[in-house]
Parts: sequence; structure tokens; C-alpha cells
Amino acid sequence: EAQVTQNPRYLITVTGKKLTVTCSQNMNHEYMSWYRQDPGLGLRQIYYSMNVEVTDKGDVPEGYKVSRKEKRNFPLILESPSPNQTSLYFCASSRGARGYGYTFGSGTRLTVV
Amino acid sequence: DQQVKQNSPSLSVQEGRISILNCDYTNSMFDYFLWYKKYPAEGPTFLISISSIKDKNEDGRFTVFLNKSAKHLSLHIVPSQPGDSAVYFCAASETGNQFYFGTGTSLTVIP
Repeated sequence: EAQVTQNPRYLITVTGKKLTVTCSQNMNHEYMSWYRQDPGLGLRQIYYSMNVEVTDKGDVPEGYKVSRKEKRNFPLILESPSPNQTSLYFCASSRGARGYGYTFGSGTRLTVV
Repeated sequence: DQQVKQNSPSLSVQEGRISILNCDYTNSMFDYFLWYKKYPAEGPTFLISISSIKDKNEDGRFTVFLNKSAKHLSLHIVPSQPGDSAVYFCAASETGNQFYFGTGTSLTVIP
């Protein structure tokens, strides 16, 4: 089944403790992206990647890092999480930038206390 | 500052009638627009897209209309079905890489 898999689905952590949210897609998509969803703000793009080793900042990149060493994986790294990063995170992939919609993962609900 | 706005947080429609969801944008450089549907505890699902060279795109019961002069797009669902009850997001892009989403409209289709 074609899908984007995020792990974990739920995570509670403490301020300052580094964490990684993994994202993997099995559709050989070149394009991947991370979003966060917050009440009243919709989905906001954190980072995107157009291919292996090619990443760029989205709308709200502060406090996040990403890497794209392989085509299928696009982990999101929070080096020093803070409470304002408590949010619902979505990873997404697409065959290309235009003409194709994203396939989204099921989401990771992160709480930073 | 929100570049894509969905001013109606919620909408209720009778089954079989038309649902019209609206979206406004501020950036005149946006040239690619999409609609997504989201059920609780799931990621958004791509529905339909339109590029700025068109003013209408149709896919089954779903039609997206684009009015570039008004910077407005809308999604029409005809006929509406109870399974269409979900949150609908519009999104827009200038480059095709960076996408801006609206805050969503929760549609309830009443049987």
C-alpha cells in the first residue's frame, strides 16, 4: 500500500531533550515536506526537500532541522524542543512540485512540557 | 500574516444539496491551488487542484473555481454526501515548492 509513515504517533517530552520524528514513504517520491498544524493557524510548512540532499526552509523553520540522505526518508529533528513546539506534525510526499497533490502521513502529536 | 484565508470555520449542508467552500488569498503571485480533505486522526487527503491558467477544474462531484481578479477560489461538492463531512483546507503556491494553507472549514453533511 502506498503510504507515508510517521513515527511516533504520540510523543510527550521535556524541554531541551533532543528528539527525532521519522518519516518514510514507499512511493519513490522526490518531493517531501513537513508541516505543523495549530488551532486557528492551519497547516504551516516547516521544511521541504526536492530530492536527496536538497532541502529548504518553509514558513516556520526556526527550532527544526531536517535531513534527506535517502529518497524515502525525511526525519524532522528538534535539537532543543520548547513548549511552543507543542503541535500536530505532518509529513507529506509528492511525485513532483506541480500537478500533484501531497500524500500525507497520519500525523505525530507532540507535547513539550 | 495569513496569505490564504478560509473565513468560514464551519458549514452545514443537507445531504444531496450543494456544498460551497470558499478560500481567499492575498498573494497575486500564487499560481497553483489545491484542496485537501481531512478526517479526524488522519492526515489530509488531496482532492483537486487548479493552476492559474484555468478558471475551473472538475473531478466527479468536486469542482474548483478560480477567480484571479478577486483572488478567490471555491470548492463545490454536488451532491453532498454524509461521507463528505470533514475539514477542508485550501492551499496555494507560487513556486510549487512552498505551500500556504488556509485554516480549514469544517463541513457537516446532514443526512
